[in-house]
Amino acid sequence: DQQVKQNSPSLSVQEGRISILNCDYTNSMFDYFLWYKKYPAEGPTFLISISSIKDKNEDGRFTVFLNKSAKHLSLHIVPSQPGDSAVYFCAASISGSARQLTFGSGTQLTVLP
Amino acid sequence: DTAVSQTPKYLVTQMGNDKSIKCEQNLGHDTMYWYKQDSKKFLKIMFSYNNKELIINETVPNRFSPKSPDKAHLNLHINSLELGDSAVYFCASSQARDLNNEQFFGPGTRLTVL
Repeated sequence: DQQVKQNSPSLSVQEGRISILNCDYTNSMFDYFLWYKKYPAEGPTFLISISSIKDKNEDGRFTVFLNKSAKHLSLHIVPSQPGDSAVYFCAASISGSARQLTFGSGTQLTVLP
Repeated sequence: DTAVSQTPKYLVTQMGNDKSIKCEQNLGHDTMYWYKQDSKKFLKIMFSYNNKELIINETVPNRFSPKSPDKAHLNLHINSLELGDSAVYFCASSQARDLNNEQFFGPGTRLTVL
């Protein structure tokens, strides 16, 4: 029972263009969402997050959009750079749930020079 | 000055053996976690400790036993290893009062059971 789904296992984008990574969730109790980035042989590193009271959060080249009615969030990277090539994990949590994160299966982003 | 460290990075062992993975964080966090990344690449929570007390214990076989000697350490001991235990295990930590719920991950331990 996957409560957080990333349906695209991979995505290739040209350098300088926009990368859009998508994530869907099924549990309406989730009220906090995070994106993590993972390079090979390393642990995931936090990228950006968004609370359910917002619909957008921006940090430099990274913007996360949340559509609560559709239970959908997306991560936009613009402009994409070769160093952005990594696996991106979407995660969700419920306030007061001992900070338990539920992760999606990840999307491998490849930015082509 | 690694924030969250795990040892060993790689572990190859025979079925039936007992092994331990160690985790240490120097961030001053009060909550630590163990995750398992399976062959389908899902990261699944196994355990969570807050101030040395177990607060999350997902459906994990009793062969897995976490031990937290202090707030900075959360070790994972696995008894009678099975083939299905082969995976990458990640340790993580966070500060409970951090509203962002940002968890900091270690580099992972790749366990291979033969």
